[in-house]
Amino acid sequence: SQQGEEDPQALSIQEGENATMNCSYKTSINNLQWYRQNSGRGLVHLILIRSNEREKHSGRLRVTLDTSKKSSSLLITASRAADTASYFCATDAPGNQFYFGTGTSLTVIP
Amino acid sequence: GAGVSQTPSNKVTEKGKYVELRCDPISGHTALYWYRQSLGQGPEFLIYFQGTGAADDSGLPNDRFFAVRPEGSVSTLKIQRTERGDSAVYLCASSLGTTQYFGPGTRLTVL
Repeated sequence: SQQGEEDPQALSIQEGENATMNCSYKTSINNLQWYRQNSGRGLVHLILIRSNEREKHSGRLRVTLDTSKKSSSLLITASRAADTASYFCATDAPGNQFYFGTGTSLTVIP
Repeated sequence: GAGVSQTPSNKVTEKGKYVELRCDPISGHTALYWYRQSLGQGPEFLIYFQGTGAADDSGLPNDRFFAVRPEGSVSTLKIQRTERGDSAVYLCASSLGTTQYFGPGTRLTVL
């Protein structure tokens, strides 16, 4: 079973706007990662945030983590059409299992 | 360097048949993971190898599914007596640390 849930399930924005997607999880974690997936195939790692971190930046990406609420958010600034993809959060668990959420499908309209 | 590769990219089989899916991890990566992803869902954990041994196989849905990694590199996911419900994209990932690097997946269709 999957631990995480992304919200919203689908998001459609205009190019240049910011996109925010959220992830909630159920158990304690060591790390939380965000991945991107195009066309239902391989996933690409975007960013990792550790449980003792609250915010992290990488280029146009900003990730926040609130362990008290068991939630994380991914912000993509100045979106581009090429950002159109599905985005998943993944949490690690004891035994090195990875739990993925259900994903947010982002569409950026040129 | 080369990333994770998976073969075949697509596999169509009939219900009841046996299939093998192969994963070639990034060279030197000790950890290897298998996931299954159904349409509109996130990847679902199946099994995790550390070296040659299966460190966690709790995600395998039943005893029709089995995976091996005999030399600590290439891994094969084996599905016996396939069922239509096994149709999905099977993803493999490898890692040295926390970040997993994914292959392009094998799309399995059971008719």
